[in-house]
Amino acid sequence: GAGVSQTPSNKVTEKGKYVELRCDPISGHTALYWYRQSLGQGPEFLIYFQGTGAADDSGLPNDRFFAVRPEGSVSTLKIQRTERGDSAVYLCASSSGQPGRGETQYFGPGTRLLVL
Amino acid sequence: GDSVTQMEGPVTLSEEAFLTINCTYTATGYPSLFWYVQYPGEGLQLLLKATKADDKGSNKGFEATYRKETTSFHLEKGSVQVSDSAVYFCALLIQGAQKLVFGQGTRLTINP
Repeated sequence: GAGVSQTPSNKVTEKGKYVELRCDPISGHTALYWYRQSLGQGPEFLIYFQGTGAADDSGLPNDRFFAVRPEGSVSTLKIQRTERGDSAVYLCASSSGQPGRGETQYFGPGTRLLVL
Repeated sequence: GDSVTQMEGPVTLSEEAFLTINCTYTATGYPSLFWYVQYPGEGLQLLLKATKADDKGSNKGFEATYRKETTSFHLEKGSVQVSDSAVYFCALLIQGAQKLVFGQGTRLTINP
């Protein structure tokens, strides 16, 4: 079946602009995650949704970052007043959301964001 | 806080060599442990995982054993191939927290 998809694959914007990044999770997965990966580093957690609600947004760096998942499927990560330091690959992942240890998160290909 | 420390790269080996990539962790709870791999031009893929102490995860000839006493989850493969060239990430997941905590990644290059 289809995996996690993300659009756009690349986004170039100017400092101060607003951007939206989209994630389509695996069909039927109730849990969705956003991570950010800077060059040469491992991914860092941003936010986790269970269904429509943000269950943990402790990784969002500041109030310029916001994410929604209004119907419990597609999610959009929104970044206001972009800064050059926001340049990174933004990864989305989804999982079945079933309780239990070690649930696997399946990752999308990422959106590479470059802020000029 | 929770953290993962990986062997620094890059690592370069010849085909058929033995591979070890070290991974140690610090966790406030009792984590599950993962190795993810990122092949050139592709997204992160789960390679293997272990959810409790002494469990061994294995896949594609790779193995890692969850060692609670040494807080380690080292990745090993007996005979590497050129196609194993990729970046490898060790990660932990605290039960109930749902967020993966990743190491910084180890770039592996296998020469023919």
